[in-house]
Amino acid sequence: GAVVSQHPSRVICKSGTSVKIECRSLDFQATTMFWYRQFPKQSLMLMATSNEGSKATYEQGVEKDKFLINHASLTLSTLTVTSAHPEDSSFYICSAPGTSGRVTGELFFGEGSRLTVL
Amino acid sequence: DAKTTQPPSMDCAEGRAANLPCNHSTISGNEYVYWYRQIHSQGPQYIIHGLKNNETNEMASLIITEDRKSSTLILPHATLRDTAVYYCIVRAPSNTGKLIFGQGTTLQVKP
Repeated sequence: GAVVSQHPSRVICKSGTSVKIECRSLDFQATTMFWYRQFPKQSLMLMATSNEGSKATYEQGVEKDKFLINHASLTLSTLTVTSAHPEDSSFYICSAPGTSGRVTGELFFGEGSRLTVL
Repeated sequence: DAKTTQPPSMDCAEGRAANLPCNHSTISGNEYVYWYRQIHSQGPQYIIHGLKNNETNEMASLIITEDRKSSTLILPHATLRDTAVYYCIVRAPSNTGKLIFGQGTTLQVKP
C-alpha cells in the first residue's frame, strides 16, 4: 500500500515557540493531504485540507494563523504550530489519498506526531 | 455524509472471529462503507471498503446488508495485535474528499 511518513514522531517544545511537522508521501504524489488532531481517548478531528500549490482549507473553529499549512510539492505538506501553548499538546496525524487516477476514497495515514508543549 | 453508529466497545477471545457491527441507516446510493482501525498511538490503518457486495481481503471481510443500512466487519481469527479502535465511515468515494471519524468501537482481544 501507499506510504505516508511523518517527522518528527515526537517533539517537546517550550510554550511560545513554533513547531513544524512534516508529512511526506513516499511512493506516490498527493495533490491533497489532510491534517488531523487527536486528544487522549478521543477520536480524530479533521483540522484542514492541504492543497498543493494553493491555500489550505480549514475546518470550522481551527485558527489558520496558528496552524500554518504549506503544501509546496506533490510529496510534502507541513504543519507549523505557531506560538505553541500547553493546550496545543496533542497527536497530529496527516493523511493522503493513496491511489491517483482511480477514485477509491481510501486514505493512507502517517504514523502521527506527538507534540508536548511545556 | 451519512452518520454511523457503532458500539463503544467489544471483547473477543484470541483465535475467534471478531464481528464488529455498524449502523448507517441514512446511507445514500453512491456512498461506500469504509473501515479503518487505529492501534494505540499510531496513525489509522485502512482495512476494507465496499458499496453493496460483500468484500474480502487479507485482513478482513465486510458484510453489507441488502438494504445497505448496516454492515459488519469480520476479523476471522482475531489476535492480540488486532486490539484497536475500529472506525466505520460512510461517504462517497473521492480522491480529494475528507474522512470524518466518529467514536469507533474499541475492540479488546483477550488471551
